Formats: sequence, C-alpha cells, structure tokens
Amino acid sequence: DTGVSQDPRHKITKRGQNVTFRCDPISEHNRLYWYRQTLGQGPEFLTYFQNEAQLEKSRLLSDRFSAERPKGSFSTLEIQRTEQGDSAMYLCASSWTSGTNNEQFFGPGTRLTVL
Amino acid sequence: GENVEQHPSTLSVQEGDSAVIKCTYSDSASNYFPWYKQELGKRPQLIIDIRSNVGEKKDQRIAVTLNKTAKHFSLHITETQPEDSAVYFCAAHRGGGSYIPTFGRGTSLIVHP
Repeated sequence: DTGVSQDPRHKITKRGQNVTFRCDPISEHNRLYWYRQTLGQGPEFLTYFQNEAQLEKSRLLSDRFSAERPKGSFSTLEIQRTEQGDSAMYLCASSWTSGTNNEQFFGPGTRLTVL
Repeated sequence: GENVEQHPSTLSVQEGDSAVIKCTYSDSASNYFPWYKQELGKRPQLIIDIRSNVGEKKDQRIAVTLNKTAKHFSLHITETQPEDSAVYFCAAHRGGGSYIPTFGRGTSLIVHP
C-alpha cells in the first residue's frame, strides 16, 4: 500500500494520559497536514509541515498538542494530559505541492477516545 | 479567517435523479476548491476540484461550478447511484502560497434504489 498510513487506528486512553500518533505520508510528498474531525463536522486544520519545517499551527492547537516531522518523512502528533474534549478522529494528509498542485491524500485516521 | 458554509446538511434522492450541493466562502483570496467524498468509516477522498481561474469542470457524472463574484461553488452529480451515498465535503484553500483548507460541515447524500 503506497498511500498515507496512520498508527494506531484506534486509541482509548484515560483522561490525563499522554498519547502519540504517527503518520507516514506518501514517500515523495513534501507537505504533511494534521486535522481533527468530530462527528458531523468537516476536518479542522491543526498544523502542517513542509519537509521538516512546521509552517503553521491553528489556534485550535493548544499547548498540550505538539507535532514533529524530524526528517521530513513521517510525523508524530502528541497530546499531553488528554481531556474528554480531545476525543475525535485525527486525520493526516500529504501532498506534493508545487506550482498549482494542491491535491491532498488522506490517511485512514486515528480514532481517539478519552474516558 | 476563511468561513465555508455548506448546504444542505442532508440530501435524499431517488436513484437516477440529480443531486446538487452548494458551498459559499468568505475569503476572496481563496483560489482552490476541492470536493471530497467520505464513506462511513473511511478516509476523505478527492473526487473533483476547481481553481479560481476556471468556471466549470466536469468528470463523467460529476461537475463543479464556481462563481467567484458571488463566492460560491457547487457540486453536481447526475444519474445518481446507490454507491454515491456518502458524506461530501467542500473546501476552500486560501491563496498567497498557503495551502490551508477550510472545510464545510458536510452533506450526507442518500441515494435510494
């Protein structure tokens, strides 16, 4: 499978615990995005990277959230001191952005449940 | 920031009918407008997109129209089939070298056989 992959697919945790998710983009893609999606809503942008540089973060991203893409390939999203409101689907997407190409390819998501 | 409104939230049609989903956006600098289909429990997948220098684009049974002046764009699906049943999201990407999309809230399309 050469598409975007995410791990784990499901995560159940207790409030206050830390969790980390991983995203492996399509190998030649230079941009990587993280989104959060709750039931009945469209994906909400959290942050994105171009290569290893984190270029923008949403105001939605509190200081409990941190993301890295250390070598410009895979990325991790960590949530510290999880809260019940963090329960959502966390989607990763990647793209090869050059010129007028914007198409993003989504991963299957990590569903987080905070008890 | 950008605000994208999407209507209707649910759309129920008979197989073979046409379906139209409409989105409006607020930022006149937005220049790329993709549509995604998301089946239950699956990832969003791009089905068609349009750029701000084009008014209409078609791909078989799917078409998208863009009215830059009015800041709205629409998805048209003709000859709907039960497998078209899914949630459809529109998005608007702001320009200026930034590729951050703002998504609509989605339309649940149900095609009855």
